[in-house]
Amino acid sequence: KQEVTQIPAALSVPEGENLVLNCSFTDSAIYNLQWFRQDPGKGLTSLLLIQSSQREQTSGRLNASLDKSSGRSTLYIAASQPGDSATYLCAVDGGNKLVFGAGTILRVKS
Amino acid sequence: DTGVSQDPRHKITKRGQNVTFRCDPISEHNRLYWYRQTLGQGPEFLTYFQNEAQLEKSRLLSDRFSAERPKGSFSTLEIQRTEQGDSAMYLCASSYGGGYTEAFFGQGTRLTVV
Repeated sequence: KQEVTQIPAALSVPEGENLVLNCSFTDSAIYNLQWFRQDPGKGLTSLLLIQSSQREQTSGRLNASLDKSSGRSTLYIAASQPGDSATYLCAVDGGNKLVFGAGTILRVKS
Repeated sequence: DTGVSQDPRHKITKRGQNVTFRCDPISEHNRLYWYRQTLGQGPEFLTYFQNEAQLEKSRLLSDRFSAERPKGSFSTLEIQRTEQGDSAMYLCASSYGGGYTEAFFGQGTRLTVV
């Protein structure tokens, strides 16, 4: 059974800092990995999708990497801003469904 | 297309009542998923459809829950005889195909059972 773990559970940083969120998964037989953002009481916004054959994806200030063999992914956020404050969720797709971690709550202080 | 749409956004119901939620996926997407999220946790898979066929159901989906996707378009999720433990955010997502494709989520329906 696939299990996804995200570390840290919560993170508070000053504005402008670069930061890394971590995601690990137990079964490397995945099709892709997605990073999502969730604002309080809202749905999920897709940030980045990394196919199983890829090593990384970039979108603006966000860079996500994937090491399928070790079951790890990282989300790097450059020059953090208060508007980046949200919960970040990692999810792996085994073909039929996404399995999510519990998320990292990020607070960027101005 | 405005993305995945869910209705209602919020629902408060008394224990024992039945509730029904609706999801309208992105129009060209043939896969539709339902997830449930409780406070402080990531979403948990409930069920998914490919076109009108319901292909997988989680053990979380007790016999009080039923989902339909008539004609492979919108979907409904009904909960009968609601219990306080059903209080959660119910999220719908859609994708074109599965596995290698990106899933897009709606804004969710927040259910509170009192």
